Amino acid sequence: GENVEQHPSTLSVQEGDSAVIKCTYSDSASNYFPWYKQELGKGPQLIIDIRSNVGEKKDQRIAVTLNKTAKHFSLHITETQPEDSAVYFCAASEYNFNKFYFGSGTKLNVKP
Amino acid sequence: NAGVTQTPKFRILKIGQSMTLQCTQDMNHNYMYWYRQDPGMGLKLIYYSVGAGITDKGEVPNGYNVSRSTTEDFPLRLELAAPSQTSVYFCASTQGSSNEQFFGPGTRLTVL
Repeated sequence: GENVEQHPSTLSVQEGDSAVIKCTYSDSASNYFPWYKQELGKGPQLIIDIRSNVGEKKDQRIAVTLNKTAKHFSLHITETQPEDSAVYFCAASEYNFNKFYFGSGTKLNVKP
Repeated sequence: NAGVTQTPKFRILKIGQSMTLQCTQDMNHNYMYWYRQDPGMGLKLIYYSVGAGITDKGEVPNGYNVSRSTTEDFPLRLELAAPSQTSVYFCASTQGSSNEQFFGPGTRLTVL
């Protein structure tokens, strides 16, 4: 089955700095890569996703890049704010949506 | 829309007891999922369903059972609770055309 690895496990940045979280996957059949934000005591919430036919996608301060050859994808958050502090998860899936495989999570702390 | 709702929010079980975690979605989504999240870890897929009457195993199905008699409901059954099942359980749903998984608020289960 698919194996998704995520780094780093914790990340601390100063407000206004950028944050980058990286994930690798093992199954070349995976073609959909979502990123989720999980706040304390809540379920994960989708913040951005990318499909394998696209190399980069941006939504305001958040961007995701995908390198299919190397089997890795990254989340970039620019101009970080304290409210960005949360746990972020990457995931990989095939288009049939039957199974999603999650990374182990990155706890992001944005210091004011 | 209420989205995905889960009950109960918290539960403490004794070893060997059984219980059902309830999950309901009001978005008419075909796909539904059960995940468990252990402390400091990502989500692991327990079971999933692609429509009423159809269920299949995920990564960690042992000790659990599911049913899907309606589009809205996807209960998760623990028959003989074990300490290893202490975790936070999340239910999610998605409509195939949009990919986005919507998560419930979670059920925190402790088995003593």
